Amino acid sequence: KNEVEQSPQNLTAQEGEFITINCSYSVGISALHWLQQHPGGGIVSLFMLSSGKKKHGRLIATINIQEKHSSLHITASHPRDSAVYICAVRWTTDKLIFGTGTRLQVFP
Amino acid sequence: EAQVTQNPRYLITVTGKKLTVTCSQNMNHEYMSWYRQDPGLGLRQIYYSMNVEVTDKGDVPEGYKVSRKEKRNFPLILESPSPNQTSLYFCASSRGGYTGELFFGEGSRLTVL
Repeated sequence: KNEVEQSPQNLTAQEGEFITINCSYSVGISALHWLQQHPGGGIVSLFMLSSGKKKHGRLIATINIQEKHSSLHITASHPRDSAVYICAVRWTTDKLIFGTGTRLQVFP
Repeated sequence: EAQVTQNPRYLITVTGKKLTVTCSQNMNHEYMSWYRQDPGLGLRQIYYSMNVEVTDKGDVPEGYKVSRKEKRNFPLILESPSPNQTSLYFCASSRGGYTGELFFGEGSRLTVL
């Protein structure tokens, strides 16, 4: 069974700090998703990666297929970035396996 | 506006009373999927569908049924709900099975007494 591990589980930061959330997986995948879930419960897709690096505003996502590892970076963090960040991997069979999430709190 | 719509958003029911949670997307996506989210366990895939009339089991399909008769709709059916199906349910869709961004519904909170 595939396994997706995220670290850290919880993260506290001061506004303006650079933040990194990590995701490691155990077998070959077709794509990796980074998702954001706010306290209200809705889930928003941030990135979908199959290789390399993507950037959207203050968010950067990278993936290293050989090392089976992805990172999500937030530059100049802001209290509105407070949320749970979830990594999810797609097998070649197109099933989706989720990490348990990283809870981020950014304080002013 | 591109969206995935789930109904109902909140439901309290009793053991054994059949219920259906509907999911509809307006983006002409091939791929649709259902997940449940439980504290400490995160999101788990229940069923998914690559296209009309094609469905497959995820990791926790027991107690659930799905159908995909039309591209836009992917209802989740609980034939005989039990308390262990109390959970927060999400539907999602994407354009392609391997390359598409995921779009999620707002979630359906189900309580089975």
